[in-house]
Amino acid sequence: EVQLVESGGVVVQPGGSLRLSCAASGFTFDDYSMHWVRQAPGKGLEWVSLISWDGVTPYYADSVKGRFTISRDNSKNSLYLQMNSLRTEDTALYYCAKDKHSSGWNPLDYWGQGSLVTVSS
Amino acid sequence: DIQMTQSPSSLSASVGDRVTITCRASQGISNYLAWYQQKPGKVPKLLIYAASTLQSGVPSRFSGSGSGTDFTLTISSLQPEDVATYYCQKYNSAPRAFGQGTKVEIK
Repeated sequence: EVQLVESGGVVVQPGGSLRLSCAASGFTFDDYSMHWVRQAPGKGLEWVSLISWDGVTPYYADSVKGRFTISRDNSKNSLYLQMNSLRTEDTALYYCAKDKHSSGWNPLDYWGQGSLVTVSS
Repeated sequence: DIQMTQSPSSLSASVGDRVTITCRASQGISNYLAWYQQKPGKVPKLLIYAASTLQSGVPSRFSGSGSGTDFTLTISSLQPEDVATYYCQKYNSAPRAFGQGTKVEIK
């Protein structure tokens, strides 16, 4: 059974930093590209970042480019999101999600339960 | 970057009604279009990918169509358990934009 479990969400002050983690199990982690998607309270889904299976190629939404860094450790079946220079508008539930297939461009077929990040003074 | 626009933003329909949601891409995306369902308080669930392929386990009353820039999600006979917000997403390239969502309620 595929499982994605996010952790690391806390309350942080504007300008602060935070690292989210996602522990994956139930599939061959290093075969799949992985994503972070966020959802602000009462709002829609916003795609944040994507990393290729080998960790070489990251992509970011313009709203986080230069502030967030996605990474992965395939030896630990783990995905990370380093979040710097946090703003109040980064307050959201952050989901980890996996590509449906191991090659090509894919939708997201499994999602974690999310980790809540609150940016507030 | 390609923008995804859904309409309507919300709708209310009766049980058994046919419901249609549209999604428009600002540029052509071939058929790299997915639909997700998010029930209140729950995690998003993949319904349809490649514009018209039903994800395993999804009821056949859901269907998708379209290619290029214009796509539709249809629920052939709305059921109470279909109350949710539905999102389209393009995945032909990054950034993988979502539409703003369509909230479906029962009248």
